[in-house]
Amino acid sequence: EAGVTQSPTHLIKTRGQQATLRCSPISGHTSVYWYQQALGLGLQFLLWYDEGEERNRGNFPPRFSGRQFPNYSSELNVNALELEDSALYLCASSFVSYTEAFFGQGTRLTVV
Amino acid sequence: KNQVEQSPQSLIILEGKNCTLQCNYTVSPFSNLRWYKQDTGRGPVSLTIMTFSENTKSNGRYTATLDADTKQSSLHITASQLSDSASYICVVSAQTNAGKSTFGDGTTLTVKP
Repeated sequence: EAGVTQSPTHLIKTRGQQATLRCSPISGHTSVYWYQQALGLGLQFLLWYDEGEERNRGNFPPRFSGRQFPNYSSELNVNALELEDSALYLCASSFVSYTEAFFGQGTRLTVV
Repeated sequence: KNQVEQSPQSLIILEGKNCTLQCNYTVSPFSNLRWYKQDTGRGPVSLTIMTFSENTKSNGRYTATLDADTKQSSLHITASQLSDSASYICVVSAQTNAGKSTFGDGTTLTVKP
């Protein structure tokens, strides 16, 4: 069974551009979570999608947004990129909320 | 405020030795506690998940314990291997504020030959 897959693996953007990150959850999982992990820091919760709806978001500005598609895959968009947005962005999925979440390998976003 | 504190921040041990990592939390009402292993630059990989009624769970050389009364958990690694070098993250979920688990900052373990 395939795990959580994220694309691209690496992404380099210049300041002010937009970045789009994608996540495919484990088959059957309906919840998708997005996290930001800056270098040397812990995971910071970004967004939670379940059944196509945004259910919760962390303390990030509105330029961090996303959506979940009918097949439960998800997209994270970061507008007006800033240098400090450089981080590993992790996606996780779970069958229902509160249960164990499985992580993808992440997208390394570098803003120059 | 829900918090998860892990200790020590970093740990260096020799190959073959045992070690124990600590996790204290204030998350309430408690739903579950998970331990993850994260290699540098990679996504976290689940080691164990425990609910309120479970006080110990093993996964190979990894054994997690949970004391829901004192709100403490530990991860014990037996006969460490070089491949155990990683960051170990404790994550606690509440029954409310769905989807917003609270992450500890992790313990960085280095196993030396």
